[in-house]
Amino acid sequence: DAKTTQPTSMDCAEGRAANLPCNHSTISGNEYVYWYRQIHSQGPQYIIHGLKNNETNEMASLIITEDRKSSTLILPHATLRDTAVYYCIVAQRTSGTYKYIFGTGTRLKVLA
Amino acid sequence: DGGITQSPKYLFRKEGQNVTLSCEQNLNHDAMYWYRQDPGQGLRLIYYSQIVNDFQKGDIAEGYSVSREKKESFPLTVTSAQKNPTAFYLCASTSGRSSYEQYFGPGTRLTVT
Repeated sequence: DAKTTQPTSMDCAEGRAANLPCNHSTISGNEYVYWYRQIHSQGPQYIIHGLKNNETNEMASLIITEDRKSSTLILPHATLRDTAVYYCIVAQRTSGTYKYIFGTGTRLKVLA
Repeated sequence: DGGITQSPKYLFRKEGQNVTLSCEQNLNHDAMYWYRQDPGQGLRLIYYSQIVNDFQKGDIAEGYSVSREKKESFPLTVTSAQKNPTAFYLCASTSGRSSYEQYFGPGTRLTVT
């Protein structure tokens, strides 16, 4: 199973960009990278996903390296409400559906 | 509003009792999933179901059972065989067609004493 490695925790000043790295060196060619975040005791919330190309939506940008072995989630202007645990997930296709393989995530703290 | 509901939010049981956690979705999604989360850890897959009347074991299925009699419902039973049942349980679903984004419910925190 492709696994992900993320820093345990990070701090970011409010209003600045938060850059969250993720290593997924064993990712296969047809496996997607997904990012979710989880605020304490709630269900995870989808942020963004990608396969090869960089992606951007209203919440964040996802930069995937050319060899696909790592990626970076960018929150362009972090706010206090962005404080959460961020999970980088490799979505593994199996038996007609995708299984998510969760790591322990990065605990992002946005500081006022 | 479309979404996933899990009830109750908090559940307490005595050791040795089976307990069933509810998960309902009105998103018309085909696939549904159950995860377990322990403090400070990521989510681990218990069971998943791609269609009605079919389900597969995830990574930690021992001590759990599921059923999928209706598309919108995927209840999880935590049996007395589960050695460490106290955890946060999350249900998710995905349409599985054009997107594999999983939508998560609010979770049920189960405490067994």
